Amino acid sequence: QKEVEQNSGPLSVPEGAIASLNCTYSDRGSQSFFWYRQYSGKSPELIMFIYSNGDKEDGRFTAQLNKASQYVSLLIRDSQPSDSATYLCACNRGSTLGRLYFGRGTQLTVWP
Amino acid sequence: EAGVAQSPRYKIIEKRQSVAFWCNPISGHATLYWYQQILGQGPKLLIQFQNNGVVDDSQLPKDRFSAERLKGVDSTLKIQPAKLEDSAVYLCASSLEFQGGHNEQFFGPGTRLTVL
Repeated sequence: QKEVEQNSGPLSVPEGAIASLNCTYSDRGSQSFFWYRQYSGKSPELIMFIYSNGDKEDGRFTAQLNKASQYVSLLIRDSQPSDSATYLCACNRGSTLGRLYFGRGTQLTVWP
Repeated sequence: EAGVAQSPRYKIIEKRQSVAFWCNPISGHATLYWYQQILGQGPKLLIQFQNNGVVDDSQLPKDRFSAERLKGVDSTLKIQPAKLEDSAVYLCASSLEFQGGHNEQFFGPGTRLTVL
């Protein structure tokens, strides 16, 4: 079983819609969760991080964490064509001194 | 604030040749990471330094890969000899010193390696 699994893509939504990206993790010892955005040919860029159960909002982005279900999600409201990218979910198991385990990413396309 | 710097940006080599990548982290960041990202996959950690000490190299293929971080700042990752399956983007990331809990990692632009 992989450490981090993301819902298979690609995901395609119209401009203005809500895009929902999902991620599950296998290790209950995971403490911190990160969402990175990666444009084609570019390096990952941190969008949000979450440590506590519940929701965390930052502008159009909302991260949700449910540790009981080992589930993390990212909602993008009012999606824009510029949001088109691959979204990587990552977790930190704490015991591994900061090492991040990444999922393989979900490719999102927002069409005008 | 300057970001993580990497060079070269692209490298094409023949199999069995050697190659080296260089990384300069964000100023003040004690922790440095090298990741390998194969096309269509997420980054996979190869090695993690805290200052100039190795804290995790469990995923580093030590028969061909080596890395060092002299003086706790710049780092070099070397592959010798390269194999076809080493074709990937090599990403360097840095963060403040890990003190438990969480840390935010910032990535450099990466080096795209093609092994022919």
